[in-house]
Amino acid sequence: DTAVSQTPKYLVTQMGNDKSIKCEQNLGHDTMYWYKQDSKKFLKIMFSYNNKELIINETVPNRFSPKSPDKAHLNLHINSLELGDSAVYFCASSYGRGSYEQYFGPGTRLTVT
Amino acid sequence: DQQVKQNSPSLSVQEGRISILNCDYTNSMFDYFLWYKKYPAEGPTFLISISSIKDKNEDGRFTVFLNKSAKHLSLHIVPSQPGDSAVYFCAASATSGTYKYIFGTGTRLKVLA
Repeated sequence: DTAVSQTPKYLVTQMGNDKSIKCEQNLGHDTMYWYKQDSKKFLKIMFSYNNKELIINETVPNRFSPKSPDKAHLNLHINSLELGDSAVYFCASSYGRGSYEQYFGPGTRLTVT
Repeated sequence: DQQVKQNSPSLSVQEGRISILNCDYTNSMFDYFLWYKKYPAEGPTFLISISSIKDKNEDGRFTVFLNKSAKHLSLHIVPSQPGDSAVYFCAASATSGTYKYIFGTGTRLKVLA
């Protein structure tokens, strides 16, 4: 009964490829997020959706495109992968915006070679 | 510009003693703060939060103190246990703004048995 799940857990791919990471939450939350943790361990917000509406879109290359088919799912598609995209990507969810704690998935470690 | 800073990358404490983890922020608009704990190969787990209308919040062995004038918060763990060994992140949000959380870079706590 995992609360926030991500697939795959590990992803190794070559530069130039297109890949997707999937996220699902079964907590009944209406807000979901994608974070990137880089090699320096900074955990930075990339996107946030509230009730399938994009509410946060940080300065992320447009090769990254989130898609939320419903409140329980938020997928991340990455086109034309680059070496600098190597990182751990975390999905998270919360009951709403603002002052609500976020529940994180286990992370997807993406390695671009 | 890192708006949330955890200046101690690591901390070692004897079991049973107090662990004090510190966090500083620069944005005076931040009014909601959280602490997360992260074990290797897992996502961050919510620990405790505090709103700027309070200066202290306690939950069992964990207490968070907020000093708004100094833009400083700290997490106290008493007594520390070996299972507390993890990386601790503080995060801050301006709930009247875009609702995104800014994370610190984390402090690795090691509790020695």
